[in-house]
Amino acid sequence: EAEVAQSPRYKITEKSQAVAFWCDPISGHATLYWYRQILGQGPELLVQFQDESVVDDSQLPKDRFSAERLKGVDSTLKIQPAELGDSAMYLCASSLRLAGVDTQYFGPGTRLTVL
Amino acid sequence: TQLLEQSPQFLSIQEGENLTVYCNSSSVFSSLQWYRQEPGEGPVLLVTVVTGGEVKKLKRLTFQFGDARKDSSLHITAAQPGDTGLYLCAGPTSGTYKYIFGTGTRLKVLA
Repeated sequence: EAEVAQSPRYKITEKSQAVAFWCDPISGHATLYWYRQILGQGPELLVQFQDESVVDDSQLPKDRFSAERLKGVDSTLKIQPAELGDSAMYLCASSLRLAGVDTQYFGPGTRLTVL
Repeated sequence: TQLLEQSPQFLSIQEGENLTVYCNSSSVFSSLQWYRQEPGEGPVLLVTVVTGGEVKKLKRLTFQFGDARKDSSLHITAAQPGDTGLYLCAGPTSGTYKYIFGTGTRLKVLA
């Protein structure tokens, strides 16, 4: 069964350093999402792509976060500089619309710890 | 602001007991998904409900979508320790593409 791939699974960094996360969605899924999840809470949408275009980045802290999906397939989320409050799980998801219904499938996530 | 509120927030029960988790909103949703998430992993899709009043069963799990498509419930019969996890409801509000997630219910089933 096709899955969303993410790497790395774990990342430890010091504050003020740059970090990058990679996501490869399920083949054929045009929509890709990046979420941040604080322990015990539901995921919070950071950015949503439709193919290579950003359709929603209203919750993305653009002073330090950037995301791209250049060829409309895989995607990279970058944080520069990282801050202590960025410690969280970063989840990537992709979706395919069938019969008018979008269902998201998630990757395993990247657990970021900022020291 | 569109919200999906889940209740209860935490639930600890003994193996074999039944339980129901609720997902409520003041907004209409075109569909709702239920996910289970284990520590350190991404959410895993359990079910999608689309039609108001729809009931779907997945082994011991029964999902219901409210008639007005503003709420949903998840009922687990004879809970097992393997059911332990964070249960999340999520979906796009009607007429939008924007997905929102519920506040989550953390379930612990004790052997």
